[in-house]
Amino acid sequence: AQSVAQPEDQVNVAEGNPLTVKCTYSVSGNPYLFWYVQYPNRGLQFLLKYITGDNLVKGSYGFEAEFNKSQTSFHLKKPSALVSDSALYFCAVRDRRSSASKIIFGSGTRLSIRP
Amino acid sequence: EAGVTQFPSHSVIEKGQTVTLRCDPISGHDNLYWYRRVMGKEIKFLLHFVKESKQDESGMPNNRFLAERTGGTYSTLKVQPAELEDSGVYFCASSSQGWDEAFFGQGTRLTVV
Repeated sequence: AQSVAQPEDQVNVAEGNPLTVKCTYSVSGNPYLFWYVQYPNRGLQFLLKYITGDNLVKGSYGFEAEFNKSQTSFHLKKPSALVSDSALYFCAVRDRRSSASKIIFGSGTRLSIRP
Repeated sequence: EAGVTQFPSHSVIEKGQTVTLRCDPISGHDNLYWYRRVMGKEIKFLLHFVKESKQDESGMPNNRFLAERTGGTYSTLKVQPAELEDSGVYFCASSSQGWDEAFFGQGTRLTVV
């Protein structure tokens, strides 16, 4: 069965510092991997995805994520955090063996950037 | 291009009543998903349509939940009768291809009292 783990409920970072939001997954074979963000009173917005190719994926708002097959991880990173990055972040996975498979989400990590 | 729209945005109903949530996906998207997030917990998968067919409904909690997708366009999710534990935010999402990202609606916040 597919699963996604986000081990940290909350991550606190000072503005200007690098940030990392962790994600590990469990799925047979190579998955499609996604990061979404939810701002207050808004729906989920797509940030970035890994399909194939370069393990380092760049996305919206300066975010990037690195696919690590051996560690089954897909951590979200940003070199310099902004206060406006404060939001709820979800990692998600889809089994690529079937084009009709569902997307499974992690429990979310609340990112708080202090000025 | 219009995004995924959900209606209503909020609904407060009494235990035992019926509620119907609606989702209009992005035009042309064959894949439509329903998810639910209960307070502070993960976003749980409910079901997946491919066009008008239910591809996967393994996440539907019980037979009080009924989802339909008329003609492969909009979808409805009916809860009848509603229970207190059904409270949460119900998200709808759509995607074009299996490897594409899913686009989400704003969600419907359902409160059962």
